[in-house]
Amino acid sequence: EIVLTQSPATLSLSPGERATLSCRASQTISSYLAWYQQKPGQAPRLLIYDASNRATGIPARFSGSGSGTDFTLTISSLEPEDFAVYYCQQRLSWPITFGQGARLEIK
Amino acid sequence: EVQVLESGGGLVQPGGSLRLSCAVSGFTFTSYAMSWVRQAPGKGLEWVSGISGSGDISYHADSVKGRFTISRDNSKNRLYLQMNSLRAEDTAVYFCAKNVWTTTFYFDYWGQGTLVTVSS
Repeated sequence: EIVLTQSPATLSLSPGERATLSCRASQTISSYLAWYQQKPGQAPRLLIYDASNRATGIPARFSGSGSGTDFTLTISSLEPEDFAVYYCQQRLSWPITFGQGARLEIK
Repeated sequence: EVQVLESGGGLVQPGGSLRLSCAVSGFTFTSYAMSWVRQAPGKGLEWVSGISGSGDISYHADSVKGRFTISRDNSKNRLYLQMNSLRAEDTAVYFCAKNVWTTTFYFDYWGQGTLVTVSS
């Protein structure tokens, strides 16, 4: 099973600042990684797929990068609605796995 | 408009069974693989099971293998999860999720989830 480790567990920032979230895979997964955003009481929302492609309707302030084992989600300038929990997910091999989540909170 | 709606959750005793259902609309159901993803209270996301568009291939997480069965009825646009031998650790919100593309297991549409509580 491929283990995804996200860091930091919690990131405290202010609106307008830049956020960088990391996801490390226990073995190489090429670019088969997605990022999701989840707000309390809601289903996850797909942000990025195949490491760097924005999903439909996702604002340009969200970007993804990386390949192999190290991946990054960047939010260039935080909006109030961006404070949420973020998950990475790999689809290279079964079982599909998610990272443990990273909370982005308002400072 | 794509819609995904789960049902069938509830309170069940340890060792009991429950069948979840997911009704979908707004896309060609047979063309897309689907999955169930769960989230225990206050915890992260865990993929549970996935099934191909035709229903002939399915996958399960080790934690549910032999106890849960995913299936689909393409004539009714419905996805199912039969859960047997339920344990306390199966307590979670269960989401039904649609693949982004036919066999690419990223998930672009999710239901709001149905809560399963396993407790005596």
